[in-house]
Parts: sequence; C-alpha cells; structure tokens
Amino acid sequence: AQTVTQSQPEMSVQEAETVTLSCTYDTSESDYYLFWYKQPPSRQMILVIRQEAYKQQNATENRFSVNFQKAAKSFSLKISDSQLGDAAMYFCAYLRETSGSRLTFGEGTQLTVNP
Amino acid sequence: DAGVTQSPTHLIKTRGQQVTLRCSPKSGHDTVSWYQQALGQGPQFIFQYYEEEERQRGNFPDRFSGHQFPNYSSELNVNALLLGDSALYLCASSLRGGAYGYTFGSGTRLTVV
Repeated sequence: AQTVTQSQPEMSVQEAETVTLSCTYDTSESDYYLFWYKQPPSRQMILVIRQEAYKQQNATENRFSVNFQKAAKSFSLKISDSQLGDAAMYFCAYLRETSGSRLTFGEGTQLTVNP
Repeated sequence: DAGVTQSPTHLIKTRGQQVTLRCSPKSGHDTVSWYQQALGQGPQFIFQYYEEEERQRGNFPDRFSGHQFPNYSSELNVNALLLGDSALYLCASSLRGGAYGYTFGSGTRLTVV
C-alpha cells in the first residue's frame, strides 16, 4: 500500500521569506500523480500544485513550486515570498489513477506566517 | 460556478444513532469521493461513487454506506454511531479519474456524544 509521510508537523516563516515543506512517499509504481493541498481554517481543501510522475520538469504555480525527486520518492513544496494568507495546514497527497483514483494523504504540516 | 456543496455544516448525534450527510458535486463532475478527517490528521478515503455505483472502498466498516443519484449528488450514511466517528467528513468531486485533482467541499463536522 502507498504511504505518504510529512515529517514536519509544524513550520513557521517570516512574511516575504521562503519556506520548504517536505514530503516523502512509498510506492512501487512508476506512473502516478502527486499533489499539495492547502486547508485553511475554513476547512476546504484547496489544490495548490500538481505533479505528474512521468514528467521530469518540476511543476510551478506562481509563488509555489515543487522539487520532485522520483528516485528518492521525495516531493517538497517551496513557497516563495510568503504571505499571511499562506498560513494553513498543507497536505501532500498521492494518486494512482488506475487504482481507482483514491487520494492517499500525509499527516499534514501546519504553516504559520509571521508578520 | 458553484463548487462542491456539503450539508449540513455541523451535526451533533448520540451514540447508536444514524446520520446522513449530503454532497452536491461541482458542475460538470461525475465522480464523488468521501473522506474522513479526524482532528489533527490527514483525510482517510472512505469510498468513491461513479455512475451511481461504489467504485472503490477504503478500510471502513459496513456501517458506512453511500449512494449516488442520477444528478451525481451523493449521500454518506453512517449507522450505529460510535464516539470514534466524530470527525470532519469531506466530499470531493472530479470528472472521472482524479488525475487533475479533486475539488473539495468545506465538509461536515460530525460530533458524536
């Protein structure tokens, strides 16, 4: 079974600074998808960024980028120019579409942004 | 364009009772998945519905059941509630597979007393 591990329960960053959230996963598959979701106090899970495992190029969405290391099974999220609105719980998630499209989530990292 | 809508937002039930949670998927989506999120933890997959059938199920007992209607909306039913069923229940929708990411609702907070 696939597992996703987020080893940082909490992280903090100063406004306008850069922070990196870590994620590792375990799978024997070669074709899958990885996601970072953000869950603010409103509880709604919001998709931040998506990576296709067969693509070597790291995904980027504005201030958010990933460092995808397939061999190491590592998928970290970098947030540049951190803003107060980035404060939330961040979840790393794995999906293999041919296995029924269930998302497997990590335990989450609570990000605090200090003004 | 409305996203995923869940109702109710909060619910308090007594042990042994039954509960029904409801979800309307994002317009254009045909697949609905349900997740249970205990406090301070990541969501756990309960099951997924596509074309009105349960397509896949996570490691949850038969007390958890669901349904998908022809308009793609879905219900999650939990029978014989236990204190441990207290959690945030999230509904997520997608178009067929979830490779492009799911759209989540804001969840139903269920408290069992």
